[in-house]
Amino acid sequence: AQSVSQHNHHVILSEAASLELGCNYSYGGTVNLFWYVQYPGQHLQLLLKYFSGDPLVKGIKGFEAEFIKSKFSFNLRKPSVQWSDTAEYFCAAIFSGNTPLVFGKGTRLSVIA
Amino acid sequence: SQTIHQWPATLVQPVGSPLSLECTVEGTSNPNLYWYRQAAGRGLQLLFYSVGIGQISSEVPQNLSASRPQDRQFILSSKKLLLSDSGFYLCARGQGTYEQYFGPGTRLTVT
Repeated sequence: AQSVSQHNHHVILSEAASLELGCNYSYGGTVNLFWYVQYPGQHLQLLLKYFSGDPLVKGIKGFEAEFIKSKFSFNLRKPSVQWSDTAEYFCAAIFSGNTPLVFGKGTRLSVIA
Repeated sequence: SQTIHQWPATLVQPVGSPLSLECTVEGTSNPNLYWYRQAAGRGLQLLFYSVGIGQISSEVPQNLSASRPQDRQFILSSKKLLLSDSGFYLCARGQGTYEQYFGPGTRLTVT
């Protein structure tokens, strides 16, 4: 079955540490990939997306993600996190055609001073 | 502006009572509309989606239902709420294979 997996449930980092959140999907065809973020008390927001082309995509707030087709992965990275990056991060995919997003279970990031 | 409105923002209802959550979308025609439920540690569970007026696809069997009486209106309903229906309900809109945008959500507590 088509699915999205996020293996880190909760990540705790100190400010200025580097971040990498894992995301893997299971599907052999063309896939559109997304990272969403939900800051405390706020809406889900789109961080970045990959449809085609350059597999390294840059999003808002200094985030980037790399699509590695051979690994079925779309990991989210940020070189230096800030306290304001504390949030829940969701990886999601559209697997084919006009179908809904499939979400991973989310990773909670806590950044401490 | 392509804004998504959801109301109410919070709701406390007794078990067995009916439910109606409303979602309306501005600034776009013929959007795909979605209802999700978000639970801690479980991500977002797709409940229903609609590609047009009167067209509803259900993703999970449950005592909830959805309707789309107008192009930009999507309603989530129940005739009799269960305790397990408590959660955070999100409405989203999308177009084809592109990203989805989410509303502010409704926090439902069933007592």
